[in-house]
This record gives sequence, structure tokens and C-alpha cells, in this order.
Amino acid sequence: GAVVSQHPSWVICKSGTSVKIECRSLDFQATTMFWYRQFPKQSLMLMATSNEGSKATYEQGVEKDKFLINHASLTLSTLTVTSAHPEDSSFYICSAVRDRVDGYTFGSGTRLTVV
Amino acid sequence: AQRVTQPEKLLSVFKGAPVELKCNYSYSGSPELFWYVQYSRQRLQLLLRHISRESIKGFTADLNKGETSFHLKKPFAQEEDSAMYYCALSSGGSNYKLTFGKGTLLTVNP
Repeated sequence: GAVVSQHPSWVICKSGTSVKIECRSLDFQATTMFWYRQFPKQSLMLMATSNEGSKATYEQGVEKDKFLINHASLTLSTLTVTSAHPEDSSFYICSAVRDRVDGYTFGSGTRLTVV
Repeated sequence: AQRVTQPEKLLSVFKGAPVELKCNYSYSGSPELFWYVQYSRQRLQLLLRHISRESIKGFTADLNKGETSFHLKKPFAQEEDSAMYYCALSSGGSNYKLTFGKGTLLTVNP
């Protein structure tokens, strides 16, 4: 079946630095990838939709300059948290869509802690 | 706007008992409904989607458009069913966006 690899699985960074999270579709080409944020004991909140070769579409309230998304190839999307602050600490999850039949495949998530 | 409501944050049942996890949705068009499961320390996995109408791990879910519900059911719960369950909705068409409910943590006691 479809596999999505997300890296790193956890990262600790200092306040003010930037962190890049990668999401790769290993055995299929994903024209669309999604980035979610999950707060403790809460649901997944969609941050943005990443389309290969075009600009990401951000959800209302998500700062596009803080959460930079790049989808340069059909197998890789990256989320860069710029100038991270403690309030950006969260669990970030990506998902990729191969086609409507297979639906969505999720990465294992990245636990970001900003200190 | 699309919205998914899972009214129960926590649900606890005994092994062998029936279980029903509730999900109601709000959407003006024809949505696609899903159930995802997240076992402890594992990634989200697709459990069911309404268009496939199949039973996975003994779970079934029927889309009731009149009641705008997509409740997840299993007649006899097992301890290994303990997990977080998320109901999700996609508006379909070319838009793949998923909207998730807040999730229900199911605990099946021995």
C-alpha cells in the first residue's frame, strides 16, 4: 500500500531558529499533500494544502510567512517553521493523496519542541 | 462550511460489549465520510470510508444522510480496539481537504 515517510520524528530547537520537516511519498507520486497540526488531546487542524509545482493554499489563520511549504516534486513536500517560538511547539502531521480510490495516507508525525 | 462533530471525548466499554462511536457532520453537498484510527504511538490509519461499504476489523459505519450521521459500530469490542478514533469528512470533487472531528478515545476493558 501507499507509504508516507515523515522526518524527523521529533526535533528540539531554540527559539528564533528555523526547522524543516520533510514528507515523502515512498511508493507513489502525490500531487497533493496536506499539513496538519495537532495540539495535545485535540484534533488535527489543517494548516495548508500543498500542490506540486504551485503555491500552497493556507487555511485561515495560518501564517504563510511563518510556515513555509515547498512541494518541488511529486514525492516531497517540506514544511519549514521559521523563527520558531515556544507556542509553535506541537505535533505536525503530513498526509499525501495518490488518487481518490486510495485516499489519504498519513506520515508518522513530527513532535516539535521549541525551547 | 464543513464540520464534523464527535460528541464523546471518551468511551469505555468492556470486552465483548457492543460499541458505537458517534459522528455527525454538517455539509451542504455530498460529502465523503471516513473513520481513521490511531493506536498508541502509531500513525493515523484509514479504518473505513463510506463509499467502500466494507467491514474492517469488525467495524461498520453507515452514512445516514437524513440524520447527517456516520456512526461507527462493532458488535463485540476487543481489547486491541482501544485507540483514538477520528471521523473525517471530505467535500469530494477535486478538493481533497479532510475535516476531522475532535476524536473519541475508546478504551476496551478486560
